[in-house]
Amino acid sequence: QAGLTQPPSVSKGLRQTATLTCTGNSNNVGNQGAAWLQQHQGHPPKLLSYRNNNRPSGISERLSASRSGNTASLTITGLQPEDEADYYCSAWDSSLSVVVFGGGTKLTVL
Amino acid sequence: QVQLQESGPGLVKPSETLSLTCTVSGGSISSYYWSWIRQPPGKGLEWIGYIYYSGSTNYNPSLKSRVTISVDTSKNQFSLKLSSVTAADTAVYYCARAYYDILTGYISLEAFDPWGQGTLVTVSS
Repeated sequence: QAGLTQPPSVSKGLRQTATLTCTGNSNNVGNQGAAWLQQHQGHPPKLLSYRNNNRPSGISERLSASRSGNTASLTITGLQPEDEADYYCSAWDSSLSVVVFGGGTKLTVL
Repeated sequence: QVQLQESGPGLVKPSETLSLTCTVSGGSISSYYWSWIRQPPGKGLEWIGYIYYSGSTNYNPSLKSRVTISVDTSKNQFSLKLSSVTAADTAVYYCARAYYDILTGYISLEAFDPWGQGTLVTVSS
């Protein structure tokens, strides 16, 4: 089934701001929003936000998520070396009754 | 703190059935949704399916004909069986819980926390 669309890579400088995007359709992102996951090499993913801008406890306030129409965004301010990772979005597709993932964005902190 | 641990063979022959178990510790398997997710080497995440503690399931249509997820509440475990495997099924397999917002009682089926460490399953003769 169709997944969510994410840019393959984003590069930003130290202490800069990065905005990652995730585009779906009205049945998934546009309907119930998206969740964001961070994955460092060799580790399981870590939940950063859910239902657009709800952060689990312990997640840095430098991260914020939002949604506009069928596109969800994750903004990371004051980039640090540890922010370099792969980021995935996910959403519930109400027409297919399945979870769909984006292909992931590799964030490089220069 | 709830922790998940996958277990099962790391090598499966083509055409055979992949079987994995996820053991939940530090909390009860009851009242939650539990998922299997996989990640081929160097690639992205793919949702395989979920099971509710009561036994109701929902599978990815692309795998539905080959997947069975079951739960054993007495052992605090849930399991994955994937039949007729090929090399394309080689991946790290993760088990995870749908996120439960303790303040609102809301469950987000598309958000996963916690996750197991993952187990690499290679399909090869």
